[in-house]
Amino acid sequence: QSALTQPASVSGSPGQSITISCTGTSSDVGGYNYVSWYQQHPGKVPKVVLYGVSSRPSGVSNRFSGSKSGNTASLTISGLQAEDEADYYCASYRSPASWVFGGGTKVTVL
Amino acid sequence: EVQLVESGGGLVQPGGSLRLSCAASEFSFATYWMSWVRQAPGKGLEWVANIKQDGGEKYYVDSVKGRFTISRDNSKNSLYLQMNSLRAEDTAVYYCARDGDRNWDHWGQGTLVTVSS
Repeated sequence: QSALTQPASVSGSPGQSITISCTGTSSDVGGYNYVSWYQQHPGKVPKVVLYGVSSRPSGVSNRFSGSKSGNTASLTISGLQAEDEADYYCASYRSPASWVFGGGTKVTVL
Repeated sequence: EVQLVESGGGLVQPGGSLRLSCAASEFSFATYWMSWVRQAPGKGLEWVANIKQDGGEKYYVDSVKGRFTISRDNSKNSLYLQMNSLRAEDTAVYYCARDGDRNWDHWGQGTLVTVSS
């Protein structure tokens, strides 16, 4: 079961916007609105920042937004802040009856 | 506040077995799907298995099928992962996670499983 494809790293300066892509297939990302994104700081537990492609859990900053086109989902962080420096993982339901993560993207705030 | 507390990790030899537990509290455990997600040292996240509210449906990642068994005891608000025929590549932090609306909305702190001779 291959992972979803994410860039290994993305960087940006404070205040800028960055976008992380997550590419799958029609059996996962493209076939369902079941994409979620997780933020993980070093040594910490993952935290969901988006689900259902573009929905934000209560308490998550509106600087995080999501979209999907075809087999690729995207997470955009606007107004980049130092606290956003972390690893980000996408995840999707994959038919039949499994879930798959992306390989993860390290976000660096320059 | 939702709490998930894993236990049972440790050092085990290749081919050995281990049973992980996850104690849930502060939510209606019996009404949620639950999952195990693991993370090898320095690596990414990997979904391992999940189980329906009544235990009637269980799904696994291909790499653990036939070796791992997920189960739950709703009377004890507990989730389990029985791991047999362990391999070096099973070495990871294992997280218990609650299946929310199309996401894992709460995670435990994780328990480390090390498979080594």
